[in-house]
Amino acid sequence: GAVVSQHPSRVICKSGTSVKIECRSLDFQATTMFWYRQFPKQSLMLMATSNEGSKATYEQGVEKDKFLINHASLTLSTLTVTSAHPEDSSFYICSASRQPSPGELFFGEGSRLTVL
Amino acid sequence: ELKVEQNPLFLSMQEGKNYTIYCNYSTTSDRLYWYRQDPGKSLESLFVLLSNGAVKQEGRLMASLDTKARLSTLHITAAVHDLSATYFCAVDSSAGNKLTFGGGTRVLVKP
Repeated sequence: GAVVSQHPSRVICKSGTSVKIECRSLDFQATTMFWYRQFPKQSLMLMATSNEGSKATYEQGVEKDKFLINHASLTLSTLTVTSAHPEDSSFYICSASRQPSPGELFFGEGSRLTVL
Repeated sequence: ELKVEQNPLFLSMQEGKNYTIYCNYSTTSDRLYWYRQDPGKSLESLFVLLSNGAVKQEGRLMASLDTKARLSTLHITAAVHDLSATYFCAVDSSAGNKLTFGGGTRVLVKP
């Protein structure tokens, strides 16, 4: 079956550094991927829609300069948390669907970011 | 703005008994999803409900959708410990897989 893979699964970084998280669709192409954030014991909140070959669309309240999204190919989207701070510590999850839209939806395994 | 509300937020279950989780949403929906999440893990897909009156069952779990009432239910039959997890409903109102999640229901099944 289709798989969406995230890397790294866990990352610890110092405050002020930048961290890149990758989301790959392993056996299908995805023109659109979505990035969610989940704080402990809370629900998932959509951060942005990643569009292949164009700029990401950010949800209200999400800083686009802080959370850089690049969707350079049909199988890879990256989320870079720039100048990370402890309040950015969270579980980041991506999703992707087969084409044509709205195809079957798959979630990645998630990436846990801890900023010290 | 689409709002998705789940209740209850926490459900303590006794093994062998039946329970229901409710998911209400505020606008017309194209798809409604149910997911399970274990601690520290990502989401496991349980059901996708596409139309009014849709009912799906897998093992002890059954989900239904009433689009007129904007309500979905997840029914648990004869709860067992392995069902302890957090359950989320999510609504896709854009037909593009952009989901809005409910707040989640944390389920704890006690022996």
